[in-house]
Parts: sequence; structure tokens; C-alpha cells
Amino acid sequence: SQQGEEDPQALSIQEGENATMNCSYKTSINNLQWYRQNSGRGLVHLILIRSNEREKHSGRLRVTLDTSKKSSSLLITASRAADTASYFCATGGANNLFFGTGTRLTVIP
Amino acid sequence: NAGVTQTPKFQVLKTGQSMTLQCAQDMNHEYMSWYRQDPGMGLRLIHYSVGAGITDQGEVPNGYNVSRSTTEDFPLRLLSAAPSQTSVYFCASSYSTRLANTEAFFGQGTRLTVV
Repeated sequence: SQQGEEDPQALSIQEGENATMNCSYKTSINNLQWYRQNSGRGLVHLILIRSNEREKHSGRLRVTLDTSKKSSSLLITASRAADTASYFCATGGANNLFFGTGTRLTVIP
Repeated sequence: NAGVTQTPKFQVLKTGQSMTLQCAQDMNHEYMSWYRQDPGMGLRLIHYSVGAGITDQGEVPNGYNVSRSTTEDFPLRLLSAAPSQTSVYFCASSYSTRLANTEAFFGQGTRLTVV
């Protein structure tokens, strides 16, 4: 069974706009991670937020975590065509991650 | 630095055939895992290993076998391929820490079709 679930399933925006995707999970966590997957490629780690953190930034990425609601959001600011990819949240340990079904982001030039 | 290397990239099998998907990492990571990715399902954990000689089952282990004789290699064996095993397979590795979890590094995937 899937631990996380992303929303929306698909998102299409214009270049320069911000993209927000959400993740809900079911059980208590130590941390939550976000990964990006370009079409036909492996997953690339974007950011990890620990359960005692509420917000974290990395470049154009901003992640929030609300453990009371068991939810997280990923914001990509000033999107670029190269941001077109699928984005997954993941919970669990270092070697046994549970992934959501992903958000497919399309950035239109 | 190659990271996580998976071979082959593509494979077509007939039902009942067996094969081994190879995974190697050169980062001296203790943890290695195998996932499968199906459309609309995200990634699901098949088997994982916390070090040489130690393996355990994940969420969907049936039909697969693993072993970990070295830190670098973690092959995944399909014992008797079935059409339901048609999927994209990803190997991942990460280093361990007793204080915090760390990111996983993924290979580029093996696209397997069973006919």
C-alpha cells in the first residue's frame, strides 16, 4: 500500500509561474523527502525535511511540513521548462521508502 | 563517479524465463534497495539490504530473489518471469546514519517486458 499521495495528479503552468504540489501521508514520520523524475529516467533527490522542521528552502524550492495534518507541500518558484517532470514525495527509512503516485508537472515555454 | 549503475536498460523475456537484473554502486553505501514502478502506482519496494549478507523483503517480494555478497552489488533475480512483472525496475542506494535518514541515489532503471 502507498504511504503518500500527491495532489494534483497533473499540473500544467506557464514558464515563470509558481507550481505547488501537495503530499498527504498516513502514519507518523521521522522525515519526508521529495524526488524528481524526468521522463524515462531515475529519481533524483530534491530535498529532505525532518519531522521537527516546518519549512525548508533549497534554491527555487520551498517545502513545508505539517505533521498535525500529515501533509507536505512543494513549491517551485519561477518555473522553467526544464522543471517539467514528475515529482514524488516519500516517507520511511533510508532503504525502505514509501512513495506516492506523483504529480506530473508540465511547464510550457 | 558512476553512482548507481543498472544493467541492462531494456529486456524482453518470455513467460517462465529467468534472469538477473544487475545493480552496482561505487559510493560505499551500506543500504541498497530494489523498487518497481508501474503506471499510476508510484514506486514499490521489492527487497532491500542493510549491508553485505543481510537482505529483507519489501512490499512486493513475491517472484523475486536477492543476495548481497559484496557492498557494491545487489542483483535482483526473477525466478520464473510472469507478465505481471512487466515494469520498470529501479535500484537505489544510501548511506546509513544512526542520527538521521539520508537521501537515496537511484539508478537509471531497467525496463522489463514479459511476453
